[in-house]
This record gives sequence, structure tokens and C-alpha cells, in this order.
Amino acid sequence: NAGVTQTPKFRVLKTGQSMTLLCAQDMNHEYMYWYRQDPGMGLRLIHYSVGEGTTAKGKVPDGYNVSRLKKQNFLLGLESAAPSQTSVYFCASSWTGANSYEQYFGPGTRLTVT
Amino acid sequence: RKEVEQDPGPFNVPEGATVAFNCTYSNSASQSFFWYRQDCRKEPKLLMSVYSSGNEDGRFTAQLNRASQYISLLIRDSKLSDSATYLCVVTYYGGSQGNLIFGKGTKLSVKP
Repeated sequence: NAGVTQTPKFRVLKTGQSMTLLCAQDMNHEYMYWYRQDPGMGLRLIHYSVGEGTTAKGKVPDGYNVSRLKKQNFLLGLESAAPSQTSVYFCASSWTGANSYEQYFGPGTRLTVT
Repeated sequence: RKEVEQDPGPFNVPEGATVAFNCTYSNSASQSFFWYRQDCRKEPKLLMSVYSSGNEDGRFTAQLNRASQYISLLIRDSKLSDSATYLCVVTYYGGSQGNLIFGKGTKLSVKP
């Protein structure tokens, strides 16, 4: 099993450009999450999904959109990148809700917006 | 008061030392508690869950004090491989499935 994979691993964008980060998991997990991690701050939840076809906002959703068309994939989109979105983005998945089971994280995507 | 607070460290200890980390949380309705470990430039991974009665996993012991709203992690006989950042994680009753709150982490460096 590959677990949770993320594509790409690194990306540099110019302000105003758009991009999509792809997360894939092969553990048949229902729940998937997107976090961002910034220096001096804890991981912060951007969006999450409790099943195929569903998405919900986390604590810092502004400037991001997500889609979960297939159970194994969770996409994070930036429509118009801003320097404030420079961060490390982690995808995670779990069997059920965050308060019950371990979350498995992908290796992260390091995004720089200039 | 921040939702989950940890001493950022770094804690610099020699091999074989015992080191303890504390974490405080602000919401008394908190439901579940975990310690995650994150190596430099890597993803977080679950180290252990924290139960009300306290629990041990090898050299690691986790304690929960609901009355004082703090969680602790004790590492005995530290190894070089224990060097990492330790994240305190808390979830809440009645919240959405996204209510997993991470502390900023405590950095541990074990020296030879």
C-alpha cells in the first residue's frame, strides 16, 4: 500500500496563478482532510470531506476550493494564488471522524507564491 | 488563551535522559487526545493516543489531567532517533469531523 500520496511535492507559483494539489489514498478511508502548516503555527484545517461527493469548510478555507469526485482522491484548488498561501500543505485521511481514529498524512506539498 | 498550547522548546537532552512535555488545552469539552510525532520536513505520524487512566507504550508514557486540562508525554531513556517535534492534538465533543486541533509542537533534540 502506498498510503497517502500527494502531487506535486514542490511548486512555485506567481501571484494570481492557479493550481490544483492532488491527494490520493489507497486505504479505502471515508474521511479526507487538507491542512496547511506554517512556521510557528500548528497545522490548520482548510477543508475536509466525510465521503465521496461531500466537502466541508475547516478553519481557514478562504482562497481554496476542494472536490471529492472519487473516494480515493481529494483535490485542493487555488484559483488565484497569493503570497500568504506560501506554506506546506498536508493531506490526511482516516477511517471515520477525527475524534475516533488515527489520521494518516501524506508527505506534503511545499508551495511558494512569489 | 490558545486552544492548544505547548512549550516550543527546543529541549536539548543527552542520550539516556528522561524528558517530559506538557500541553494545555482551553476547551473543557475536549473529547480525545493524541500525541503525534513529526520529523524534520516530514509528515506528522501518530505516536500514541492519551487515555484518562494514562497509558504507556515502551519508553513513552502519556497522562491526561482533565481537571487541570493538560496532557503530558514522558520519554524515558532517550535515543538519538527520538529527535523530532512532538505535536499535542485535541478533539472536541459535538464538533464537526474537522475539529482536530494541533498544538504548535515541542522540538526535541537528543545529543550523543
